Amino acid sequence: NAGVMQNPRHLVRRRGQEARLRCSPMKGHSHVYWYRQLPEEGLKFMVYLQKENIIDESGMPKERFSAEFPKEGPSILRIQQVVRGDSAAYFCASSPQTGYHEQYFGPGTRLTVT
Amino acid sequence: GQQLNQSPQSMFIQEGEDVSMNCTSSSIFNTWLWYKQEPGEGPVLLIALYKAGELTSNGRLTAQFGITRKDSFLNISASIPSDVGIYFCAGPNSGYALNFGKGTSLLVTP
Repeated sequence: NAGVMQNPRHLVRRRGQEARLRCSPMKGHSHVYWYRQLPEEGLKFMVYLQKENIIDESGMPKERFSAEFPKEGPSILRIQQVVRGDSAAYFCASSPQTGYHEQYFGPGTRLTVT
Repeated sequence: GQQLNQSPQSMFIQEGEDVSMNCTSSSIFNTWLWYKQEPGEGPVLLIALYKAGELTSNGRLTAQFGITRKDSFLNISASIPSDVGIYFCAGPNSGYALNFGKGTSLLVTP
């Protein structure tokens, strides 16, 4: 499968727990983007990363949310002390190079906070 | 980021009909992208547009980049049941993030 991979596909967490969402970009892509989608809404940008660098995190909440894209391994979106309002679908996208606007999306992780 | 407005919000049509939807922006875009999302899945890129006035086709889908650079249109000809889904327009902001519209939901009856 050469597409963007995300896991888990579904994640249930109780309030106060941590959620870790993983994303492996398409082969040959070094740029990763995270988006959040609430029901009946479009996708909202959260963060843009390249290997070992956060390029733009202007869409990410200042508290409890963090993202990384290490030299080896998948990109991780981490949400600490989850609250009910964090329940949403989280999508990862990748692109091959700077200035290339076409982004290819993974299947998403549906996070439910109980 | 720039706001993208899509219309109509939803469409309910019969198989075989043609479909038109559009997307408008309060600001100029240099790129327009159209995605389709099916339930439980991620958006799939359908068409990318890079020049004002550009008309691009992908099978039964045709998209146009408006001359003013503030709008784009997507047409689907001879719709079939598997066209069902939500169609999103998107454009990059000043950085690399994509701004998305709220989508046009398409339902096709056999």
